[in-house]
Amino acid sequence: QVQLVQSGAEVKKPGSSVKVSCKASGDTFSSYGISWVRQAPGRGLEWMGSIIPILDIADYAQKFQGRVTITADKSTSTAYMELSSLRSEDTAVFFCARDRPGDFYFDYWGQGTLVTVSS
Amino acid sequence: QSALTQPASVSGSPGQSITISCTGTSSDVGTYNSVSWYQQHPGKAPKLMIYDVSNRPSGVSNRFSGSKSDNTASLTISGLQAEDEADYYCTSYTSISSLYVFGTGTKVTVL
Repeated sequence: QVQLVQSGAEVKKPGSSVKVSCKASGDTFSSYGISWVRQAPGRGLEWMGSIIPILDIADYAQKFQGRVTITADKSTSTAYMELSSLRSEDTAVFFCARDRPGDFYFDYWGQGTLVTVSS
Repeated sequence: QSALTQPASVSGSPGQSITISCTGTSSDVGTYNSVSWYQQHPGKAPKLMIYDVSNRPSGVSNRFSGSKSDNTASLTISGLQAEDEADYYCTSYTSISSLYVFGTGTKVTVL
């Protein structure tokens, strides 16, 4: 059974960084990619970027270029999303989701991680 | 990259059918058959309902169906049930500035 388990909620100060983890079960890391999706309170879904762990190749949405870094640790089947220069508008739930290279849809999702940016 | 356009809300009575539209451009929906739909209940993660325009994952009710014409994709829910009340998002592969673009989201209300 495929599971994506994310790290817990975080509270951060403006200007700081946050790093959220997503641990995958099964054969996810051998065949799939992991994307990160942001959802601000009461707002829609927004794709931030993705990584293909077996190739260690990451791709980012233009909006987040330079502020987000997505990495993967194949030894622990864990993907990470680090967002820097946090501002209050970054307060959101961040989801990781699985996709297969060449198949542009997300078949499994993590439970979400709430990041609150507040002084 | 602008979000795909969806109606803010759609409602229907139990047993009825409703359709949610998702309008993009020739850089996404109009060119690629990589449109997917997600259902999201409050406080929960999204759930895949339709992929590649019209395919249903195993376990998703056949009351959900998808289609596409030109730059607009659609999700139809037939035999509307109370449990279908949720937010729905479309997404597509895009050739501009990022891999994916999401729709603005539609709140479905069962009257």
